[in-house]
Amino acid sequence: GAVVSQHPSRVICKSGTSVKIECRSLDFQATTMFWYRQFPKQSLMLMATSNEGSKATYEQGVEKDKFLINHASLTLSTLTVTSAHPEDSSFYICSAAGTSHNEQFFGPGTRLTVL
Amino acid sequence: QKEVEQDPGPLSVPEGAIVSLNCTYSNSAFQYFMWYRQYSRKGPELLMYTYSSGNKEDGRFTAQVDKSSKYISLFIRDSQPSDSATYLCAMSKPAGNQFYFGTGTSLTVIP
Repeated sequence: GAVVSQHPSRVICKSGTSVKIECRSLDFQATTMFWYRQFPKQSLMLMATSNEGSKATYEQGVEKDKFLINHASLTLSTLTVTSAHPEDSSFYICSAAGTSHNEQFFGPGTRLTVL
Repeated sequence: QKEVEQDPGPLSVPEGAIVSLNCTYSNSAFQYFMWYRQYSRKGPELLMYTYSSGNKEDGRFTAQVDKSSKYISLFIRDSQPSDSATYLCAMSKPAGNQFYFGTGTSLTVIP
């Protein structure tokens, strides 16, 4: 399968700071990237869908001004958690899809802890 | 009612056992069915991908889809301790690219 990387793998920050998470598709061009969050022992919750060069589509209940998504190229999408608070602490996972939208390849995830 | 239902377990089996994991769904528009394996603190890894009804086999893994019953299964033969993980089912419709995930079933294979 295709390889998707995420950076950083783990981040600890103070409340009120902003955190940027990068998602890269290493060996294919991802027309669409997805951002999920996952709480312990729970399934993946889709936050937003981003297509290269256009604005992201956010799921209901996800604040677009708090979770800024940029998909500037076919291999890179970024998620910025602005003014992070402890309740934003979670496991954030990206996935990438090529032309076959019914296959998604997941990154290894980023564990965010906000103190 | 959730669109995809999956028993979260936990499920514990002895090494060598046959494992059966299942999901049910309510939306008949789903045509693509996936099984992902997720180790602790890692991203999901695609295991099996099936289109419409039928069976698909890959090594020790067999995926079954019964669209008439809206029921999908993943069978693991000769289970190994390294199979210990959370297994997530996912499905999608032909149009659009949103995935609908089950809650995941936690599996432990005891040596």
